[in-house]
Amino acid sequence: EAGVAQSPRYKIIEKRQSVAFWCNPISGHATLYWYQQILGQGPKLLIQFQNNGVVDDSQLPKDRFSAERLKGVDSTLKIQPAKLEDSAVYLCASSLGSLAGEETQYFGPGTRLLVL
Amino acid sequence: AQSVTQLDSQVPVFEEAPVELRCNYSSSVSVYLFWYVQYPNQGLQLLLKYLSGSTLVKGINGFEAEFNKSQTSFHLRKPSVHISDTAEYFCAVIHSGAGSYQLTFGKGTKLSVIP
Repeated sequence: EAGVAQSPRYKIIEKRQSVAFWCNPISGHATLYWYQQILGQGPKLLIQFQNNGVVDDSQLPKDRFSAERLKGVDSTLKIQPAKLEDSAVYLCASSLGSLAGEETQYFGPGTRLLVL
Repeated sequence: AQSVTQLDSQVPVFEEAPVELRCNYSSSVSVYLFWYVQYPNQGLQLLLKYLSGSTLVKGINGFEAEFNKSQTSFHLRKPSVHISDTAEYFCAVIHSGAGSYQLTFGKGTKLSVIP
């Protein structure tokens, strides 16, 4: 079974530029998550989708971050414009479908973003 | 707000020695608890989880953890570590009675196994 795929693996941009990350979850997984992991910290949830609907985006900086999940499968996370403090690893995860928390989340390898 | 505290940021241990990685969480009526491992340049992988039932949970790669409600702890243990266990370990919690099922992670503990 293929895991969660993410691209690109690495990205370097200058502040005020825009950037987009792509995630393909495990086939059949209805729930998709985007996390931000800043160096030295644990991952922090940015947004959670159930199929193509947003379940939780309470920690997403909506003035600069946006995310969509087309047709309930792939997802893209965009930052526009980027700030220095956005330098982090962006992790995508997916789970089968329950919103109750018991299910295992499967993580992709992440996209490492450096903003100069 | 729910929180997770991992008391040690780094733990060095000799190969074949036992190890304990400590985790405490903010008190709640009901919680789900998780340990994830992150190898260099990889995503997180679930080691084990506690949802209910037996307080001693066994996971992959010989790891186990014990849920202690009175001490609000969920420490991770392995009786004999290998070089391949060198990685960063994250404790995480969901407060299942809070209306939100958001997974909250600790800051991580880097385990270094010394040959």
